[in-house]
Amino acid sequence: NAGVTQTPKFQVLKTGQSMTLQCAQDMNHEYMSWYRQDPGMGLRLIHYSVGAGITDQGEVPNGYNVSRSTTEDFPLRLLSAAPSQTSVYFCASSKGFSDTQYFGPGTRLTVL
Amino acid sequence: KQEVTQIPAALSVPEGENLVLNCSFTDSAIYNLQWFRQDPGKGLTSLLLIQSSQREQTSGRLNASLDKSSGRSTLYIAASQPGDSATYLCAASRNTGKLIFGQGTTLQVKP
Repeated sequence: NAGVTQTPKFQVLKTGQSMTLQCAQDMNHEYMSWYRQDPGMGLRLIHYSVGAGITDQGEVPNGYNVSRSTTEDFPLRLLSAAPSQTSVYFCASSKGFSDTQYFGPGTRLTVL
Repeated sequence: KQEVTQIPAALSVPEGENLVLNCSFTDSAIYNLQWFRQDPGKGLTSLLLIQSSQREQTSGRLNASLDKSSGRSTLYIAASQPGDSATYLCAASRNTGKLIFGQGTTLQVKP
Protein backbone atom coordinates (compact mmCIF):
# COMPACT_ATOMS: atom_id res chain seq x y z
CA ASN A 1 0.00 0.00 0.00
CA ALA A 2 1.21 3.50 -0.84
CA GLY A 3 -0.95 4.90 1.95
CA VAL A 4 -1.91 8.56 1.54
CA THR A 5 -0.21 10.35 -1.34
CA GLN A 6 -0.21 14.06 -2.11
CA THR A 7 0.88 16.00 -5.18
CA PRO A 8 2.63 18.30 -5.75
CA LYS A 9 5.16 18.44 -2.91
CA PHE A 10 5.93 22.09 -3.53
CA GLN A 11 4.07 24.83 -5.39
CA VAL A 12 4.48 28.57 -5.89
CA LEU A 13 1.49 30.58 -7.07
CA LYS A 14 0.82 34.20 -7.80
CA THR A 15 -2.08 35.95 -6.13
CA GLY A 16 -5.30 35.21 -8.00
CA GLN A 17 -4.15 31.99 -9.62
CA SER A 18 -6.07 28.78 -9.12
CA MET A 19 -4.82 25.27 -8.50
CA THR A 20 -5.81 21.87 -7.20
CA LEU A 21 -3.94 19.94 -4.54
CA GLN A 22 -4.29 16.23 -5.11
CA CYS A 23 -4.81 13.61 -2.41
CA ALA A 24 -5.29 9.89 -2.91
CA GLN A 25 -5.40 6.86 -0.64
CA ASP A 26 -5.35 3.17 -1.48
CA MET A 27 -6.63 1.81 1.85
CA ASN A 28 -10.34 1.97 0.99
CA HIS A 29 -10.86 4.52 3.74
CA GLU A 30 -14.22 6.28 3.93
CA TYR A 31 -13.10 9.30 5.95
CA MET A 32 -10.78 11.88 4.39
CA SER A 33 -9.84 15.38 5.44
CA TRP A 34 -7.63 18.36 4.66
CA TYR A 35 -5.61 20.34 7.22
CA ARG A 36 -3.33 23.31 6.96
CA GLN A 37 -0.35 23.83 9.25
CA ASP A 38 0.90 27.30 10.06
CA PRO A 39 3.56 28.46 12.55
CA GLY A 40 1.93 29.48 15.80
CA MET A 41 -1.49 28.25 14.66
CA GLY A 42 -0.90 24.53 14.55
CA LEU A 43 -2.97 22.23 12.35
CA ARG A 44 -6.49 23.32 11.45
CA LEU A 45 -9.20 21.43 9.60
CA ILE A 46 -10.26 22.87 6.23
CA HIS A 47 -12.77 20.35 4.83
CA TYR A 48 -13.61 16.73 5.39
CA SER A 49 -15.58 13.90 3.78
CA VAL A 50 -17.26 10.88 5.36
CA GLY A 51 -17.64 9.09 2.05
CA ALA A 52 -17.94 9.52 -1.70
CA GLY A 53 -20.33 12.34 -2.52
CA ILE A 54 -20.38 13.74 1.02
CA THR A 55 -18.28 16.70 2.14
CA ASP A 56 -18.49 19.27 4.92
CA GLN A 57 -16.66 22.31 6.18
CA GLY A 58 -14.07 22.36 8.89
CA GLU A 59 -12.66 25.21 10.95
CA VAL A 60 -11.12 27.29 8.11
CA PRO A 61 -13.01 26.53 4.85
CA ASN A 62 -13.05 29.98 3.23
CA GLY A 63 -11.20 30.13 -0.08
CA TYR A 64 -11.18 26.36 -0.57
CA ASN A 65 -13.48 23.93 -2.39
CA VAL A 66 -13.60 20.15 -2.26
CA SER A 67 -15.47 17.32 -3.89
CA ARG A 68 -15.36 13.56 -3.44
CA SER A 69 -16.41 11.65 -6.53
CA THR A 70 -14.54 8.46 -5.62
CA THR A 71 -13.51 6.77 -2.38
CA GLU A 72 -9.83 7.07 -3.29
CA ASP A 73 -9.49 10.76 -4.19
CA PHE A 74 -10.16 13.99 -2.31
CA PRO A 75 -8.80 17.05 -4.17
CA LEU A 76 -8.60 20.50 -2.61
CA ARG A 77 -9.16 23.45 -4.92
CA LEU A 78 -7.98 27.02 -4.44
CA LEU A 79 -10.09 29.17 -6.76
CA SER A 80 -8.21 32.47 -6.35
CA ALA A 81 -5.04 32.11 -4.29
CA ALA A 82 -4.19 34.71 -1.65
CA PRO A 83 -0.96 35.21 0.33
CA SER A 84 -2.87 34.15 3.48
CA GLN A 85 -3.12 30.68 1.96
CA THR A 86 0.64 30.22 2.11
CA SER A 87 0.92 27.14 4.27
CA VAL A 88 1.70 23.44 4.41
CA TYR A 89 -1.33 21.34 3.49
CA PHE A 90 -1.89 17.82 4.76
CA CYS A 91 -4.43 15.27 3.66
CA ALA A 92 -5.51 12.51 6.04
CA SER A 93 -7.68 9.41 5.84
CA SER A 94 -9.15 6.83 8.19
CA LYS A 95 -11.37 3.80 7.93
CA GLY A 96 -14.06 5.52 9.97
CA PHE A 97 -14.23 8.77 11.87
CA SER A 98 -13.22 7.10 15.15
CA ASP A 99 -10.23 5.24 13.75
CA THR A 100 -6.54 6.10 13.46
CA GLN A 101 -5.99 8.85 10.94
CA TYR A 102 -3.13 8.49 8.46
CA PHE A 103 -1.51 11.60 7.04
CA GLY A 104 0.11 12.25 3.69
CA PRO A 105 3.58 13.87 3.31
CA GLY A 106 2.15 17.34 2.71
CA THR A 107 2.20 20.04 0.04
CA ARG A 108 4.14 23.21 0.76
CA LEU A 109 2.35 26.11 -0.95
CA THR A 110 3.65 29.66 -1.31
CA VAL A 111 1.42 32.41 -2.68
CA LEU A 112 3.25 35.54 -3.79
CA LYS B 1 -15.14 25.12 21.82
CA GLN B 2 -12.48 22.48 22.28
CA GLU B 3 -8.99 23.76 22.99
CA VAL B 4 -5.93 21.54 23.25
CA THR B 5 -2.76 22.63 25.01
CA GLN B 6 0.62 20.95 25.14
CA ILE B 7 3.25 21.73 27.74
CA PRO B 8 6.17 22.15 27.49
CA ALA B 9 6.61 23.60 24.01
CA ALA B 10 10.17 22.27 23.89
CA LEU B 11 12.13 19.73 25.85
CA SER B 12 15.78 18.67 25.78
CA VAL B 13 16.92 15.54 27.61
CA PRO B 14 19.97 13.28 27.67
CA GLU B 15 19.75 9.90 26.01
CA GLY B 16 18.32 7.14 28.20
CA GLU B 17 16.04 9.37 30.24
CA ASN B 18 12.37 8.52 30.74
CA LEU B 19 10.12 11.46 29.95
CA VAL B 20 6.49 12.57 29.97
CA LEU B 21 4.76 14.85 27.48
CA ASN B 22 1.55 16.52 28.57
CA CYS B 23 -1.65 17.29 26.70
CA SER B 24 -4.72 18.97 28.16
CA PHE B 25 -8.15 19.57 26.61
CA THR B 26 -11.03 21.77 27.71
CA ASP B 27 -14.03 19.69 26.57
CA SER B 28 -14.17 16.27 28.25
CA ALA B 29 -16.74 15.01 25.72
CA ILE B 30 -14.05 13.67 23.43
CA TYR B 31 -14.43 10.53 21.34
CA ASN B 32 -10.77 9.68 21.20
CA LEU B 33 -7.32 11.17 21.54
CA GLN B 34 -4.41 10.56 19.21
CA TRP B 35 -0.71 11.15 19.61
CA PHE B 36 1.35 11.86 16.49
CA ARG B 37 5.00 12.35 15.72
CA GLN B 38 6.21 14.85 13.12
CA ASP B 39 9.77 15.00 11.83
CA PRO B 40 10.99 18.30 10.28
CA GLY B 41 9.52 18.80 6.81
CA LYS B 42 7.53 15.60 7.00
CA GLY B 43 3.96 14.49 7.53
CA LEU B 44 2.41 13.19 10.74
CA THR B 45 2.89 9.62 11.89
CA SER B 46 0.27 8.18 14.21
CA LEU B 47 1.76 6.77 17.42
CA LEU B 48 -1.19 5.84 19.61
CA LEU B 49 -4.97 6.18 19.57
CA ILE B 50 -6.91 6.08 22.84
CA GLN B 51 -10.66 5.68 22.62
CA SER B 52 -12.73 7.55 25.22
CA SER B 53 -13.61 4.26 26.94
CA GLN B 54 -9.94 3.37 27.40
CA ARG B 55 -7.46 4.55 30.03
CA GLU B 56 -4.21 3.85 28.22
CA GLN B 57 -2.50 2.37 25.19
CA THR B 58 1.01 1.01 24.81
CA SER B 59 3.30 0.52 21.84
CA GLY B 60 6.88 -0.50 22.48
CA ARG B 61 8.57 2.19 24.59
CA LEU B 62 5.53 4.47 24.33
CA ASN B 63 2.60 4.58 26.73
CA ALA B 64 -0.26 7.03 26.47
CA SER B 65 -2.85 7.59 29.15
CA LEU B 66 -6.19 9.37 29.08
CA ASP B 67 -8.08 10.93 31.98
CA LYS B 68 -11.27 12.49 30.61
CA SER B 69 -12.45 13.78 33.97
CA SER B 70 -9.37 15.96 34.40
CA GLY B 71 -9.03 16.73 30.69
CA ARG B 72 -5.51 15.34 30.45
CA SER B 73 -3.47 12.88 28.44
CA THR B 74 0.18 12.01 28.84
CA LEU B 75 2.67 10.34 26.53
CA TYR B 76 5.39 8.46 28.37
CA ILE B 77 8.58 7.64 26.48
CA ALA B 78 10.86 5.13 28.15
CA ALA B 79 14.63 5.04 27.69
CA SER B 80 14.70 7.90 25.19
CA GLN B 81 16.98 7.69 22.15
CA PRO B 82 18.32 10.35 19.74
CA GLY B 83 15.98 8.90 17.10
CA ASP B 84 13.04 9.99 19.27
CA SER B 85 13.89 13.63 18.51
CA ALA B 86 10.83 15.12 16.78
CA THR B 87 7.72 17.18 17.45
CA TYR B 88 4.97 15.32 19.24
CA LEU B 89 1.37 16.40 18.67
CA CYS B 90 -1.78 15.38 20.46
CA ALA B 91 -5.23 15.73 18.90
CA ALA B 92 -8.68 15.36 20.43
CA SER B 93 -11.69 14.25 18.43
CA ARG B 94 -15.44 14.34 19.02
CA ASN B 95 -17.78 11.91 17.26
CA THR B 96 -17.27 13.65 13.92
CA GLY B 97 -13.67 12.69 13.29
CA LYS B 98 -12.57 16.32 13.32
CA LEU B 99 -9.21 16.56 15.05
CA ILE B 100 -8.34 19.53 17.27
CA PHE B 101 -4.57 19.68 17.59
CA GLY B 102 -2.31 21.04 20.27
CA GLN B 103 0.69 23.17 19.29
CA GLY B 104 3.09 20.31 19.90
CA THR B 105 6.14 19.59 22.04
CA THR B 106 9.49 19.61 20.25
CA LEU B 107 11.74 16.99 21.81
CA GLN B 108 15.50 16.82 21.49
CA VAL B 109 17.31 13.78 22.85
CA LYS B 110 21.04 14.38 23.15
CA PRO B 111 23.50 11.49 22.71
